[in-house]
Parts: sequence; structure tokens; C-alpha cells
Amino acid sequence: EAGVAQSPRYKIIEKRQSVAFWCNPISGHATLYWYQQILGQGPKLLIQFQNNGVVDDSQLPKDRFSAERLKGVDSTLKIQPAKLEDSAVYLCASSSGGLAKLFFGSGTQLSVL
Amino acid sequence: RKEVEQDPGPFNVPEGATVAFNCTYSNSASQSFFWYRQDCRKEPKLLMSVYSSGNEDGRFTAQLNRASQYISLLIRDSKLSDSATYLCVVNRADMRFGAGTRLTVKP
Repeated sequence: EAGVAQSPRYKIIEKRQSVAFWCNPISGHATLYWYQQILGQGPKLLIQFQNNGVVDDSQLPKDRFSAERLKGVDSTLKIQPAKLEDSAVYLCASSSGGLAKLFFGSGTQLSVL
Repeated sequence: RKEVEQDPGPFNVPEGATVAFNCTYSNSASQSFFWYRQDCRKEPKLLMSVYSSGNEDGRFTAQLNRASQYISLLIRDSKLSDSATYLCVVNRADMRFGAGTRLTVKP
């Protein structure tokens, strides 16, 4: 079974630039999550999708972050413009929904200079 | 108050030791609970789910106390390969992670 795919694996940008991350969840998984993990901290939930609808985006900094899952399958997360404090690993995870466990992608390590 | 709080660690223990981690959560409506393991520069992976009656998986035992809103993980006979960060996860329709507790098992 294919796992959660994420790209790119690494990204280095300068502050005020834009960046986008892509995630393809496990086939059939209705729930998709984006997490931000700053070094030394636990993953922080940014947004949760159920199919193509947003369930929770209360911790998403909406002035600069946006995410979509238009067809209820793959998803993109965008940051525009990036700040130094956005340097982190961005993890995508999926689950079959409800109280099911999460499966994570390998993450995208973002460095903002 | 954070939704999920864990022992800050780090824990440095010798091989063969028993070590316990605690985690508390603030939302009594939380429905399911997990421990994830995260190796350095890797993604988190499920270690075990936590059930109300307590559950065991080899050297690992998880306990849940709903009345006190805490979860624990006990690792017996620690191995070098147990060195990792252990993340407590609480689900109340979304998955919230604790900050993690780093464990280093030394020879």
C-alpha cells in the first residue's frame, strides 16, 4: 500500500517569498491534516480536511497561509509571504476518519532565510 | 493551559531500565488517545493506541485515566533502539499532539 506522499522534501526561500507544498494521502482516506513542527516542539495542527471541506483551521495563520483540497484527494498548503518564523517541517497526514490513527508523509523541511 | 501537556524530559536511562512518561489533556470530551514515536528527522509513527482498560504491547504498557485526564506510557527493559521522542496524541475530532518527551537509552 502506498503511503502519504509529500513534495518537495526540502525548500529554502528568502523571507517575503511564496512557497507551496503538496500532499497526496493514502488512497481512500477521507481525512487529511497539515501540521507544522518547529524544531524541538510537537506537531501543531494547521488545518484538517474531511473530503474537500475544512473541519478545523483555527490555528492556521490565515493572513499568510492557505490550503485547499479541491477534489477531496490531494492537497496544497501555501505560504505567502513567508517569515523567518515559518522555518519548520510541514507534515501531511491522513486517516480513514473518525478516531482512526494517522499516517504521516515524510514532511517538507522549510528554511526561510 | 495547553491542550496536551507532557513531561518535558529529556530522560537519559541505561539499557534495561524501566521508564514512564505522563501526559495530561485539558478537554474532557477527548475520545481517543495514542502514543506516537518520532525518530530524529523522521515523521511520527504510531506506537500504540491507549484504551480505557489499559493495554500492553510487548515491553510497552499504556494507561488512560479519564477521571484525572492523564495518559501514561511505561517502557520496560529499555533498549538502545527505544531512543526517540515520544508524542502523546489526543483526539476530539482532530488530532492534537503534545510537545513530546525525548528518551535516550545509553549502553
